[in-house]
Amino acid sequence: TQLLEQSPQFLSIQEGENLTVYCNSSSVFSSLQWYRQEPGEGPVLLVTVVTGGEVKKLKRLTFQFGDARKDSSLHITAAQPGDTGLYLCAGHPSGTYKYIFGTGTRLKVLA
Amino acid sequence: NAGVTQTPKFQVLKTGQSMTLQCAQDMNHEYMSWYRQDPGMGLRLIHYSVGAGITDQGEVPNGYNVSRSTTEDFPLRLLSAAPSQTSVYFCASSYSGQSFGYTFGSGTRLTVV
Repeated sequence: TQLLEQSPQFLSIQEGENLTVYCNSSSVFSSLQWYRQEPGEGPVLLVTVVTGGEVKKLKRLTFQFGDARKDSSLHITAAQPGDTGLYLCAGHPSGTYKYIFGTGTRLKVLA
Repeated sequence: NAGVTQTPKFQVLKTGQSMTLQCAQDMNHEYMSWYRQDPGMGLRLIHYSVGAGITDQGEVPNGYNVSRSTTEDFPLRLLSAAPSQTSVYFCASSYSGQSFGYTFGSGTRLTVV
């Protein structure tokens, strides 16, 4: 059972466009993290969101944690080719020590 | 700091062979986990540990064993390799507590023929 569902699965956009990636669950998470993974490498942590309703900004990336701590979103403004990669959300479902990953969103930004 | 070190980087096994994937971290992290990633997919949790001497099963544990005798090391053993275990394996570690992200190794690309 996949507890973290991401949408869309694939996204191909032109440079300069905006996009949003969603991470949804029926379970409550104590926190959620977002990672970016490039081919041949391990995922690299981008951000952690902890509080329901929290919004964090990292340059052109905006992360939001849902009020009920069951979902999160990643918004990229004015995408650049360097944003290309696999974006993954992850976290510990409340009450467990398992650290699980979402299904992933593969983003390609065309110049 | 080396971070999380995985060895080997590449391995080819024949069906039925056994082997151990090594993982070591030098950050004094309590939590460690093993994942497999199949082409174009996210990461699936195989086994995890919350400290030396404590391990538990993840989402896809069948065919794999782990042990955690020290804080630093968390080896993953394939008991009898099968073609379905062809994948990229990642080891990761984190501070204890549920608000920290994980640091990943560079992965081991395993092919079972």
